[in-house]
Amino acid sequence: QVTLKESGPVLVKPTETLTLTCTVSGFSLSNARMGVSWIRQPPGKALEWLAHIFSNDEKSYSTSLKSRLTISKDTSKSQVVLTMTNMDPVDTATYYCARTIVGPYKVSWFDPWGQGTLVTVSS
Amino acid sequence: DIQMTQSPSSLSASVGDRVTITCRASQSISSYLNWYQQKPGKAPKLLIYAASSLQSGVPSRFSGSGSGTDFTLTISSLQPEDFATYYCQQSYSTPPDFGPGTKVDIK
Repeated sequence: QVTLKESGPVLVKPTETLTLTCTVSGFSLSNARMGVSWIRQPPGKALEWLAHIFSNDEKSYSTSLKSRLTISKDTSKSQVVLTMTNMDPVDTATYYCARTIVGPYKVSWFDPWGQGTLVTVSS
Repeated sequence: DIQMTQSPSSLSASVGDRVTITCRASQSISSYLNWYQQKPGKAPKLLIYAASSLQSGVPSRFSGSGSGTDFTLTISSLQPEDFATYYCQQSYSTPPDFGPGTKVDIK
């Protein structure tokens, strides 16, 4: 059974750096056809993709947030870490990690997702 | 970046209704289009990948079609458990962005 679980602080102050960890089980971060993405959702709003990382250490970031984001992985620990600098109240959201599967012709999709973790930015 | 739009933004329907949701990309994305269902307080769930491939375990009343810029998600006979928000997502290029969502609620 494939599972992903997000962990990290529930409350951060403005200007602080957020560090979130995604711990995966049921698949390996060294699998060439799989990666992990981070996606967030402000309360009552739509999903927003943030970043992904693959087994070959290929990384990509949201165009609007890339200056603030860093994604990394520890294959031996089955963990993917996302850091976001200079947090602001508008960054209050539920943060999800999801397995990214790459199929034929490089079609990709997110499945499954972690349960999500709500991060509130407030002083 | 490729912009994704969905219509309608919300709809009210009855159990048993046929429901169609449309997703449009700002440029051709071939068949690189996925659909997700999200219920309140829950993580999204993959329904359809590559425009028309039904994810394992998803009921056959869900179907997807389209290619290029225009796509549809169809629920052939709406069931009580289908009341949720539906998102499309393109995987043609990075960033693999989502549409704004379509909320399906009870009429």
